[in-house]
Amino acid sequence: GENVEQHPSTLSVQEGDSAVIKCTYSDSASNYFPWYKQELGKGPQLIIDIRSNVGEKKDQRIAVTLNKTAKHFSLHITETQPEDSAVYFCAASKSMNYGGSQGNLIFGKGTKLSVKP
Amino acid sequence: SQTIHQWPATLVQPVGSPLSLECTVEGTSNPNLYWYRQAAGRGLQLLFYSVGIGQISSEVPQNLSASRPQDRQFILSSKKLLLSDSGFYLCACWFRQEQYFGPGTRLTVT
Repeated sequence: GENVEQHPSTLSVQEGDSAVIKCTYSDSASNYFPWYKQELGKGPQLIIDIRSNVGEKKDQRIAVTLNKTAKHFSLHITETQPEDSAVYFCAASKSMNYGGSQGNLIFGKGTKLSVKP
Repeated sequence: SQTIHQWPATLVQPVGSPLSLECTVEGTSNPNLYWYRQAAGRGLQLLFYSVGIGQISSEVPQNLSASRPQDRQFILSSKKLLLSDSGFYLCACWFRQEQYFGPGTRLTVT
């Protein structure tokens, strides 16, 4: 089955610097790749996602890139702020549809990002 | 837009006691619903998912069970809790081809 690996497990940056988190996946049929931000004691929040027909997607300071050939995707956060400090999870799914076993997300183990003021 | 409710928010239960966690969803119909568990400082483990009323699929054999008595209600249960059942339990649903999580229930088994 699908396996998603996420690196690094912890990342510390200075405020204003950029942060990059990388994930690799094993199943070439995976075609949906979301990123979640989880603050302490809260449920994960979807912050950006990308589908396999797109190579890059941006939303203000956040961007995600996808390399289907290499089977890896990355989250880029620019101009980091202390409120960006959280655990970030990547995930992969092999279906465009939101149903059944084909729609189940496989998650990476998470990256704890700390932004120092 | 959809809203996912979970209760209780926190729960402390002794070993051997029963468990019932509830998840309800607003703003969508016939959603696919999920239960995840997150141990302290760890990743997300999928426990159960449901594609409809009465339809439950289990991903990991364990001390827990799930039920879906209504279209937008998903319940996680146990007859006898173990210490290893402690964790943060998250309900999730797909909405417009994106998966969203509820606020979670923090369960501590003592």
